[in-house]
Amino acid sequence: DIQMTQSPSSLSASVGDRVTITCQANQDISNYLNWYQQKPGKAPKLLIYDASNLETGVPSRFSGSGSGTDFTFTISSLQPEDIATYYCQQYDNLPPYTFGQGTKLEIK
Amino acid sequence: QVQLVESGGGVVQPGRSLRLSCAVSGFTLTTYGVHWVRQAPGKGLEWVAVISYDGSNQYYADSVKGRFTMFRDNSRNTLYLQMNSLRAEDTAVYYCAKDRAVRAFLYYYGMDVWGQGTTVTVSS
Repeated sequence: DIQMTQSPSSLSASVGDRVTITCQANQDISNYLNWYQQKPGKAPKLLIYDASNLETGVPSRFSGSGSGTDFTFTISSLQPEDIATYYCQQYDNLPPYTFGQGTKLEIK
Repeated sequence: QVQLVESGGGVVQPGRSLRLSCAVSGFTLTTYGVHWVRQAPGKGLEWVAVISYDGSNQYYADSVKGRFTMFRDNSRNTLYLQMNSLRAEDTAVYYCAKDRAVRAFLYYYGMDVWGQGTTVTVSS
């Protein structure tokens, strides 16, 4: 199975900061990576698909990049409503489609 | 509007069975695959299973293989997750979620719309 290592596990930042989360796969997954946002008590929400494509309706301050084994998720200017846990997920080849362990983002 | 609504969760004793339902609207089960993903209390997301748009292709995580089975009723646009031989470690919120790709088969593309989840607690 493909393992996804996400870092950091938690992050505290100020409103307006640029925030970066990384996700590393233990083998080449091309660009088969999604990023999700999960607010407390809510279902996850797809933000980025195919590593770098913004899902419809998602604010442009969110972005993703990378291919192969190393991926980055960025919030260009943190807003209070961005407080959530963020997960990467790979979907290369056959299941299982593993998630990273999550990054809990808090406001400083 | 695409929507998925899970139901059927509850408290069940170890070794017993439970059936979850996922009622979909705004799309048909004959067009998109559907995943189940679970989240244990205070933990991250774990992919559980997926069924293809035509129902002929299913995959399960090793942790549930042989115990969980998906089936569906196209006339009711409802998907089911039959969970047998439940264990304490199956305690979680269970989400159903639509696959991103139309008529995905063998290979899937992640989840673009999720239900609100239903809670399963396995405890004596």
